[in-house]
Amino acid sequence: DGGITQSPKYLFRKEGQNVTLSCEQNLNHDAMYWYRQDPGQGLRLIYYSQIVNDFQKGDIAEGYSVSREKKESFPLTVTSAQKNPTAFYLCASTLGQGVAPLHFGNGTRLTVT
Amino acid sequence: GESVGLHLPTLSVQEGDNSIINCAYSNSASDYFIWYKQESGKGPQFIIDIRSNMDKRQGQRVTVLLNKTVKHLSLQIAATQPGDSAVYFCATTQGGTASKLTFGTGTRLQVTL
Repeated sequence: DGGITQSPKYLFRKEGQNVTLSCEQNLNHDAMYWYRQDPGQGLRLIYYSQIVNDFQKGDIAEGYSVSREKKESFPLTVTSAQKNPTAFYLCASTLGQGVAPLHFGNGTRLTVT
Repeated sequence: GESVGLHLPTLSVQEGDNSIINCAYSNSASDYFIWYKQESGKGPQFIIDIRSNMDKRQGQRVTVLLNKTVKHLSLQIAATQPGDSAVYFCATTQGGTASKLTFGTGTRLQVTL
């Protein structure tokens, strides 16, 4: 089955540590995205990539970094500079270069204490 | 700034009844609209979309209505089932551009037996 796989489902880290969230897709989609979901708020875009080796900042990129070395993979690193990293992180992809709708993975819940 | 909001944070309906979930948007230039369903602990799942050149679109048991005059769209679910229990949220953008999607906060649909 084609889809987007995010791992791990739950992640716990101590404050001050960097952590990398994995996102892999086998849909052959060009564009990939990272969103953050917090209670009572709509999804907010962190980073997106429309093509391999290229990515753009979204609305809340501070404290995060990404890479896109392969079409299938778009890992997100939450750095120690992110002031409020505890959240539900969603990876998504689109078939065309940035054409909606988004197809989402099942998310990673990150808890930083 | 641009915003998308849902009218009710929670909607409770009896099994077999029809459900109507509403969404208001602020950007009059929005021309593409999506409804997503999100079950607890999972990623959002695409339900249906509609472009601004339409005012109604039907899917399987779902209908989306768009009123551009008052910047409002609704999702109607016919014969609501327990499996429909989830959070539903709308998203809007211009030109189908995924990176510019604005997401609503979601309405939790509770189906009672």
